[in-house]
Amino acid sequence: DTAVSQTPKYLVTQMGNDKSIKCEQNLGHDTMYWYKQDSKKFLKIMFSYNNKELIINETVPNRFSPKSPDKAHLNLHINSLELGDSAVYFCASSLRSTEAFFGQGTRLTVV
Amino acid sequence: SQKIEQNSEALNIQEGKTATLTCNYTNYSPAYLQWYRQDPGRGPVFLLLIRENEKEKRKERLKVTFDTTLKQSLFHITASQPADSATYLCALDPRQGGSTLGRLYFGRGTQLTVWP
Repeated sequence: DTAVSQTPKYLVTQMGNDKSIKCEQNLGHDTMYWYKQDSKKFLKIMFSYNNKELIINETVPNRFSPKSPDKAHLNLHINSLELGDSAVYFCASSLRSTEAFFGQGTRLTVV
Repeated sequence: SQKIEQNSEALNIQEGKTATLTCNYTNYSPAYLQWYRQDPGRGPVFLLLIRENEKEKRKERLKVTFDTTLKQSLFHITASQPADSATYLCALDPRQGGSTLGRLYFGRGTQLTVWP
């Protein structure tokens, strides 16, 4: 019954590795997002997808790439992980750009 | 540059009092403004949305005001309870022409603590 679910909840990996975070929403929303929350709790948008098309690509490193196989899924792939990538990553979804529903977050730690 | 500022990082009040949180923005023309609650280890949860043509919105003990002239929103929690302790975030979706950009920009949040 979880509206927006993302996996894994915790991810610990070494520098240089490639990892993916998965996100699924069962709300029938048309837009999905990825946000990054840093150690100072600042929540910053990374990407948004509307009807399987990337409509916003903020100034994030191209090591980060969103992949949307369908309207209900938006996965985040990260290549060549760096220490500075350590943060909590939130997936969210909304309908026609109104209130957003967030997942529980993925705490990524790069060592 | 565009900014969203929430008045303080932390606010401590006594149970039963009214908590008032402030969100100021510069160089945005938001179509609407939203407030979220975030508890430790969890994602933000939507509370209220107020549109640019609305002055005030209420939901149970929550009240939001929106002054587009002052570029400010106030978020009130009346009869506060310890369970209201959390971080409260304001967010806005900038207007672009006749539509919105379709993305939410967040303030840094105010951590509210309600003491019994």
